[in-house]
Amino acid sequence: EIVMTQSPATLSVSPGERATLSCRASESVSRNMAWYQQKPGQAPSLLIFDVSTRATGTPARFSGSGSGTEFTLTISSLQSEDFAVYYCQQYNSWPPLTFGGGTKVEI
Amino acid sequence: EVQLLESGGGLVQPGGSLRLSCAVSGFTFSDYAFAWVRQARGKGLEWVSGITGGGGNLYYADSVKGRFTISRDSSKNTLYLQMNSLRAEDTALYYCARKAGWVGSYPFDQWGQGTQVTVSS
Repeated sequence: EIVMTQSPATLSVSPGERATLSCRASESVSRNMAWYQQKPGQAPSLLIFDVSTRATGTPARFSGSGSGTEFTLTISSLQSEDFAVYYCQQYNSWPPLTFGGGTKVEI
Repeated sequence: EVQLLESGGGLVQPGGSLRLSCAVSGFTFSDYAFAWVRQARGKGLEWVSGITGGGGNLYYADSVKGRFTISRDSSKNTLYLQMNSLRAEDTALYYCARKAGWVGSYPFDQWGQGTQVTVSS
């Protein structure tokens, strides 16, 4: 099983600031890596897939990068609607499909 | 409009059973693989089970193998999760999620709103 480790667990930022979230895989997942956003009381929604491809409707301020085992989600200028929990997920080697533990982005 | 609507959750005693349903609309059901993903309150996401577009391949997390069964009915555009021998640790919000492809390695591009399963005496 590939273990996905996200850091930090909580990220405190101000609107307009840049946020950088990290995700590490226990072994290479190639480019089969996605990021999801989950707001309180809502289902997760796909933000980024294949490391760096924005899903339909994802604003350009969100970008993904990395390869192999180290990945980053960057939010260039945080907006109020971006405060949420973000999960990384690998879909390279499964079952099981595995998620990271999440990073909460808060004010 | 793409929709995934889960139902069937509820309160059940340990050792009991439930069947979750996920009715989909707005796209061709048979073109996609699906999965169930659960989330305990205040916790992260856990993949539970998956099924390919044709229904020929089924996958399970070790934590539910032998107790849960995933299936799909193309005539009803519905995904199911039969849950037997339920345990307290199965308590969670269960999401139906669509994989962005029929078979193979894809992310989850559409999610339902979830149905709550509570296992307690």
